[in-house]
Amino acid sequence: AQSVAQPEDQVNVAEGNPLTVKCTYSVSGNPYLFWYVQYPNRGLQFLLKYITGDNLVKGSYGFEAEFNKSQTSFHLKKPSALVSDSALYFCAVRALGGATNKLIFGTGTLLAVQP
Amino acid sequence: DTAVSQTPKYLVTQMGNDKSIKCEQNLGHDTMYWYKQDSKKFLKIMFSYNNKELIINETVPNRFSPKSPDKAHLNLHINSLELGDSAVYFCASSPDYTVVPQYFGPGTRLTVL
Repeated sequence: AQSVAQPEDQVNVAEGNPLTVKCTYSVSGNPYLFWYVQYPNRGLQFLLKYITGDNLVKGSYGFEAEFNKSQTSFHLKKPSALVSDSALYFCAVRALGGATNKLIFGTGTLLAVQP
Repeated sequence: DTAVSQTPKYLVTQMGNDKSIKCEQNLGHDTMYWYKQDSKKFLKIMFSYNNKELIINETVPNRFSPKSPDKAHLNLHINSLELGDSAVYFCASSPDYTVVPQYFGPGTRLTVL
């Protein structure tokens, strides 16, 4: 069965420092991977996706993610964190088989950026 | 303009009642979804409709019945509400069924007392 894991419930980082939010996946075959962000009392917003090609994917708001096949990881990164980046971040994988638009989400990581 | 909108934003009701949540998207997308987020923030798909046709139906109790009067609307009706139905329900859309949802509504927080 396909799954994603986000090992950290919360990540704390000081404003201006680089941030990393971790995600590992378990799928058979080539994964389609995604990151979403959820601001307080808001719906999810799509950040970026990896389908194929360059392992470093750039997305919205200065975020990027690195696909690492050998480590089965897709960590979200940003060179310099902003207080406004504080939110809940979800990693997701597209489920294989059946409908192609079914997403399986991780449990989420709360990013707290301190001023 | 709001891409995906939901009403109501908050819904507080008693056990056993029947309630509906409405969703509309103005993106011209063919595919719409309902997701449930529980108290631990875990997100799970419930249903997906493509051009008014049901294409994903997860193992959701049949007290939950989605209805899509047209491809811009996907409503969720819940019968005989239970305490465990308390959650945030998100509507979402995508251009078609081959693409994962990129646009989510603001959510409806349902509290069953």
